[in-house]
Amino acid sequence: QVPLQESGPGLVKPSETLSLTCTVSGGSVSSGSYYWSWIRQPPGKELEWIGYVFYTESTHYNPSLTSRVTISIDTSKSQFSLRLTSVTAADTAVYYCARLRLRGLPSGYFDYWGQGTPVTVSS
Amino acid sequence: EIVLTQSPGTLSLSPGERATLSCRASQSVSTSYLAWYQQKPGQAPRLLIYGASSRATGIPDRFSGSGSGTDFTLTISRLEPGDFAVYYCQQYGGSPTLTFGQGTRVEIK
Repeated sequence: QVPLQESGPGLVKPSETLSLTCTVSGGSVSSGSYYWSWIRQPPGKELEWIGYVFYTESTHYNPSLTSRVTISIDTSKSQFSLRLTSVTAADTAVYYCARLRLRGLPSGYFDYWGQGTPVTVSS
Repeated sequence: EIVLTQSPGTLSLSPGERATLSCRASQSVSTSYLAWYQQKPGQAPRLLIYGASSRATGIPDRFSGSGSGTDFTLTISRLEPGDFAVYYCQQYGGSPTLTFGQGTRVEIK
């Protein structure tokens, strides 16, 4: 098992910055086979991939969010983090962290997920 | 961006019946990069199938995946009570493209 656990504020004001952290226990974020990802799900809607980070700090973001998103990693703490700036009500969602297998074939899938943390954008 | 369209939106079936879920891509997707997930209310998605047809660890063999190119299928051979949930397909199309379908809800008839 590779438990992942999201943490961070559940309420963010419009125009401010959303910050979440995912702590990975039972495994190392420095594995060369996996990338560490954020995904969100607005209420009653489908899943939306936000971006992912490799242990080398290489990142890739959803083009629709790239201007507002930063994902970083701290290998010493087995954590990776999400920052989303200038939030609006449209950013209200459950935010999940997940492990993404992107080395070898087949790949490109999320095999472990955190339980998710709800974030509401409201004044 | 590759768009995944799932059908039907909702599938109403009885326990013991067979469920066939479709995922159609707007462009060809490598079978190596197509996955299916199950999501129950209030829970995170769970990986069912990766590489279009490989079952994830602990997934019973009543779940199977097939397809290639732009058409993929998830089949649940005999529905059990715990299988009623929302199912999502997902593709990885090379950096940085990664998209999910809009989901199919399998509900009890």
